Amino acid sequence: GAGVSQSPRYKVAKRGQDVALRCDPISGHVSLFWYQQALGQGPEFLTYFQNEAQLDKSGLPSDRFFAERPEGSVSTLKIQRTQQEDSAVYLCASSSDRLRGEQYFGPGTRLTVT
Amino acid sequence: AQKVTQAQTEISVVEKEDVTLDCVYETRDTTYYLFWYKQPPSGELVFLIRRNSFDEQNEISGRYSWNFQKSTSSFNFTITASQVVDSAVYFCALSRSNQGGKLIFGQGTELSVKP
Repeated sequence: GAGVSQSPRYKVAKRGQDVALRCDPISGHVSLFWYQQALGQGPEFLTYFQNEAQLDKSGLPSDRFFAERPEGSVSTLKIQRTQQEDSAVYLCASSSDRLRGEQYFGPGTRLTVT
Repeated sequence: AQKVTQAQTEISVVEKEDVTLDCVYETRDTTYYLFWYKQPPSGELVFLIRRNSFDEQNEISGRYSWNFQKSTSSFNFTITASQVVDSAVYFCALSRSNQGGKLIFGQGTELSVKP
């Protein structure tokens, strides 16, 4: 079956622009996670959804970051007024069991802010 | 606080050598889960194994084996008879049972297997 897909794969934004990153989870997976991975680092948690409910957004670095999953499937991570420090790979993962299930990751969106 | 440490930043071996990737974790929880993920050059994280804190049995899957020791808070990963296709960055991760499954990752170990 299809895995987690993300689009775009690459995004170049000028500082100050808004960007929207899309994640299509595996069909039927109720849990969806966003992570940020800086170059040479491990992924860091941003936010988590259970169906359409955003249950944890403790990892979002500032109020410029906003995520939604209005119908409990596709999710969008939006970054307003991008800054150079936002440059990273943004990973989306989905899981069928939020407590014990492994998370399946998408290929990521590489965001470069110039 | 929860933390995962992978002290080895880079490891280079020659094909067919055995290699062990170290992972040390910190948590005060009694119930938690440990994971290993592989990130090949393509960038997509690939799940390898999950272990819960109550199961200390070692596990073997083909050339891969995992050694979980609660006494030393370690969850080490061994690749036997390494192959060039094993070249990747490997991440150890921890999740807490009461935090919705979010993963806390180590810094990763970049493994290079040379022919």
